[in-house]
Amino acid sequence: GENVEQHPSTLSVQEGDSAVIKCTYSDSASNYFPWYKQELGKRPQLIIDIRSNVGEKKDQRIAVTLNKTAKHFSLHITETQPEDSAVYFCAAKAAGNMLTFGGGTRLMVKP
Amino acid sequence: DAGITQSPRHKVTETGTPVTLRCHQTENHRYMYWYRQDPGHGLRLIHYSYGVKDTDKGEVSDGYSVSRSKTEDFLLTLESATSSQTSVYFCAISVGTSGSYNEQFFGPGTRLTVL
Repeated sequence: GENVEQHPSTLSVQEGDSAVIKCTYSDSASNYFPWYKQELGKRPQLIIDIRSNVGEKKDQRIAVTLNKTAKHFSLHITETQPEDSAVYFCAAKAAGNMLTFGGGTRLMVKP
Repeated sequence: DAGITQSPRHKVTETGTPVTLRCHQTENHRYMYWYRQDPGHGLRLIHYSYGVKDTDKGEVSDGYSVSRSKTEDFLLTLESATSSQTSVYFCAISVGTSGSYNEQFFGPGTRLTVL
């Protein structure tokens, strides 16, 4: 089955700096890659996703890139703010309609 | 929030007792999922459903069963709870009827503690 690795597990940045979280996947047939943000005690919230037919997608301060050849995808957050502090999860769509999640990255933005 | 609710939101139970968690949706989505979330493991799929009475196993299905007798409800049962099943359980729905790019949205979660 699909296996998704996510790095780093924790990331600390200064407010205003950029943050990058990287994920690799194993199943070359995967074609959908969402990113979720989870604040403490809350549900995961979908923040951005990318499909295998595009290489990059942006939404204001966040962007996701996909390299199908290398089987990795990344989340980029620019001009980080304290409210960006949360745990971020990547995922890849495996067989059928199922997602396999990475282990998560705890992002801390220091004011 | 995609009209998803979970009940109970918190539960403490003892080893060996049966437990049923309920996921309810109001928007008639076909696909529903149960995940557990544990530190360092992200979200792991327990079971999922692709229609009434149509269910299948996920990555960590041992010790769990599910039922879906109507579109809006997806039940997760721990037949005999163990301490290793202490976790936060999330239900999710997938928007869309089929295809490759269906977004998943999560319910608020149920925190289960097995003593």
